[in-house]
Amino acid sequence: TQLLEQSPQFLSIQEGENLTVYCNSSSVFSSLQWYRQEPGEGPVLLVTVVTGGEVKKLKRLTFQFGDARKDSSLHITAAQPGDTGLYLCAPFRGKLIFGQGTELSVKP
Amino acid sequence: DTGVSQNPRHKITKRGQNVTFRCDPISEHNRLYWYRQTLGQGPEFLTYFQNEAQLEKSRLLSDRFSAERPKGSFSTLEIQRTEQGDSAMYLCASSLGTRVDNEKLFFGSGTQLSVL
Repeated sequence: TQLLEQSPQFLSIQEGENLTVYCNSSSVFSSLQWYRQEPGEGPVLLVTVVTGGEVKKLKRLTFQFGDARKDSSLHITAAQPGDTGLYLCAPFRGKLIFGQGTELSVKP
Repeated sequence: DTGVSQNPRHKITKRGQNVTFRCDPISEHNRLYWYRQTLGQGPEFLTYFQNEAQLEKSRLLSDRFSAERPKGSFSTLEIQRTEQGDSAMYLCASSLGTRVDNEKLFFGSGTQLSVL
């Protein structure tokens, strides 16, 4: 059974568009981390959400943790080509358990 | 830069050969993790160390795989009798190791293994 489901799996948009990616589970998490990974590199931490209903902003990126702490979303406003990459969500349970990821491509 | 360092960056080997990868974590980090990632997928957990102790191993880590962290600093991951299915990116990460939850992991750039 998959602990996490991320959707969509692939997303290709034009520069300037907005988008949302989702991370869902049937399990409750004490916290959830979001990472971004560029080709040929390791993932880099973007943000950690801890409290149910929490919203965190990182420039054009807005992260939300569901009230029940079972799901999270990442919204990007006015996407840029530099946002291209694999977006991963992961709870920490002694180690990070990653979802499949959302592959985002932003075309100029 | 004193981030996580992995060597080699790329490794091409023939099926049946043994390969060894090295990971140098951030110096004050007590925990070290190994992950494997195939194209289009998220990283899959393999194993992790707290100092020199190997605390957890995934079922993905068959008996052909062995990891060590002899002095609690650098770590090696060895794959014996490589198979084509072992082709993947092998990622190493480290963390302070002071929390039971919500540790922040720092990843290396990975070793890309191709088994021909």
